[in-house]
Amino acid sequence: NAGVTQTPKFRILKIGQSMTLQCTQDMNHNYMYWYRQDPGMGLKLIYYSVGAGITDKGEVPNGYNVSRSTTEDFPLRLELAAPSQTSVYFCASTLGQGNTEAFFGQGTRLTVV
Amino acid sequence: DAKTTQPTSMDCAEGRAANLPCNHSTISGNEYVYWYRQIHSQGPQYIIHGLKNNETNEMASLIITEDRKSSTLILPHATLRDTAVYYCIVRGASGGSNYKLTFGKGTLLTVNP
Repeated sequence: NAGVTQTPKFRILKIGQSMTLQCTQDMNHNYMYWYRQDPGMGLKLIYYSVGAGITDKGEVPNGYNVSRSTTEDFPLRLELAAPSQTSVYFCASTLGQGNTEAFFGQGTRLTVV
Repeated sequence: DAKTTQPTSMDCAEGRAANLPCNHSTISGNEYVYWYRQIHSQGPQYIIHGLKNNETNEMASLIITEDRKSSTLILPHATLRDTAVYYCIVRGASGGSNYKLTFGKGTLLTVNP
């Protein structure tokens, strides 16, 4: 049982490039989340999903896109990378029924130069 | 989601109990109080949660006031490895957008030798 797995762990992008941050979970969780965390700050919700085929915006969705074609995977897409997207990105999942805990991946550290 | 208020930082001596307060005066009847911690930019880690009764597990105790407007996380014997940012989160259990996890800035707990 690997939990929540994020890839890559580190990435450097040039301005205007695109990339996909991968997130997969093997716990059959319905709810999945993407957060970003800037240095010295708390986590801000980018997008979340309540199940396959359903996604919704969080606090800071601009510049990002997501999809949820399967229960396991919730990739985050950056289309035109900007320096403001330099951050650490965390993916999380929770069963979504009742009072259950969330599990987090170890993060992807992204630098846009 | 109900908002939470936590002190920015706290210190604790190693081996002593650490008591971390959280105010959530706008909490509604079906919202749970969750605590997570984040050690040095790792992914947040679940600690404990509760609705209205006090809760205890192997990591910590959670004391919720009778009016549910505030709570205290207790680490009974703090160690240096407990130095982290601690987040208090209020989260609904009825599905949909109530399952969003909204993080504030948390409390930086520093355990001193």
